[in-house]
Amino acid sequence: QVQLVESGGGVVQPGRSLRLSCAASGFIFSSYAMNWVRQTPGKGLEWVAIISYDGSNKYYTDSVRGRFTISRDNFRNTLYLQMDSLRVEDSATYYCARRGEGWDYWGQGTLVTVSS
Amino acid sequence: DVVMTQTPLSLPVTLGQSASISCRSPQSLVHSDGNTYLSWLHQRPGQPPRLLIYKISNRFSGVPDRFTGSGAETDFTLKISRVEAEDVGVYYCMQAALFPHTFGQGTKLEI
Repeated sequence: QVQLVESGGGVVQPGRSLRLSCAASGFIFSSYAMNWVRQTPGKGLEWVAIISYDGSNKYYTDSVRGRFTISRDNFRNTLYLQMDSLRVEDSATYYCARRGEGWDYWGQGTLVTVSS
Repeated sequence: DVVMTQTPLSLPVTLGQSASISCRSPQSLVHSDGNTYLSWLHQRPGQPPRLLIYKISNRFSGVPDRFTGSGAETDFTLKISRVEAEDVGVYYCMQAALFPHTFGQGTKLEI
């Protein structure tokens, strides 16, 4: 069965970096575009970034462009989100989500807290 | 950004009754490929969102036929027939036709 497992979250100070991972299994990872989405109690769900199936195309929401980098390793079946220059407002639960027919599978999420 | 507006934000329902959620976009969600990328998601407390409906009206695998999506262009509706206890949680519409992809504020369904 399709599984997406995020990891890498934690507590980090403003201005520092963190790399999130999303390990995929149960499907042909290299055939699907993948998303990162974050959720905070106050702001709800917010799309962060998407990467095409082969990594050739990437799009970001404005608030993270230039600070976050989405990437993938189709040999390791893993999606990444490199987060640099973190801000307090980046604190959220981060989900990876597969783009199949709709965003059909989601991981359980990993919590990122940016605080001094 | 495309601001997706859901109504109502709170939806108290009685078991066995029907419920309806509206989602509106300020601009057409018809993609250049001809598809309308409007989906509905359901999130229970402490759980990730899960897909219910994609491309307006297509039920995802395993989703009961009590859930029906409809609409076009800018106006969309999710109808839940014969509400069951397991339907509680927050329902989100989301658009993936335009960048940045955006979500509605969420509608909390309570029994």
